[in-house]
Amino acid sequence: LAKTTQPISMDSYEGQEVNITCSHNNIATNDYITWYQQFPSQGPRFIIQGYKTKVTNEVASLFIPADRKSSTLSLPRVSLSDTAVYYCLVGRNTDKLIFGTGTRLQVFP
Amino acid sequence: NAGVTQTPKFRVLKTGQSMTLLCAQDMNHEYMYWYRQDPGMGLRLIHYSVGEGTTAKGEVPDGYNVSRLKKQNFLLGLESAAPSQTSVYFCASSYGTSDVYNEQFFGPGTRLTVL
Repeated sequence: LAKTTQPISMDSYEGQEVNITCSHNNIATNDYITWYQQFPSQGPRFIIQGYKTKVTNEVASLFIPADRKSSTLSLPRVSLSDTAVYYCLVGRNTDKLIFGTGTRLQVFP
Repeated sequence: NAGVTQTPKFRVLKTGQSMTLLCAQDMNHEYMYWYRQDPGMGLRLIHYSVGEGTTAKGEVPDGYNVSRLKKQNFLLGLESAAPSQTSVYFCASSYGTSDVYNEQFFGPGTRLTVL
């Protein structure tokens, strides 16, 4: 199973861009990289998924270098409502995925 | 569309009591999952199901049983609750293909306290 390493916590201010990097050195060839967001007292919510290069949706961008040993979730112009825990998952089959402890993002006014 | 719902939202048990947590989804998903989340921790997979009538063990299955008698429902049972099972339990569901990772949709959680 591909293990992931991400910062325990990050702080930011409203309006700034936030980049959260996840390391996954032993990612397998057919593994996907997926990010979830979890607010307090709620279940996780899917944000974005990618396999290689760059993926962008209305919420975030995901940058994946050619070697795929890391990935960066980019949140443009964060607001207070982006305060949450962000999980990086690597894998293909949902029954084999591991939610680590995630990155706790705190956005200040 | 209610998505994934969980019953109950809160429950307090005494050690040795039993209970069943109910998860229901209305998205016609094949796969369903039960996770637990302890304070400050990530989610750990307890059991999962890849279709009606099937179940499989996840990372932390001991002390729990599950059943998937209907496609839309996934039940998690605690036969003899222990304080170590105090946690927040999340149910999730997803489409069922093995060719690509499918987004999981999570329920609101059940907060269980075992005294």
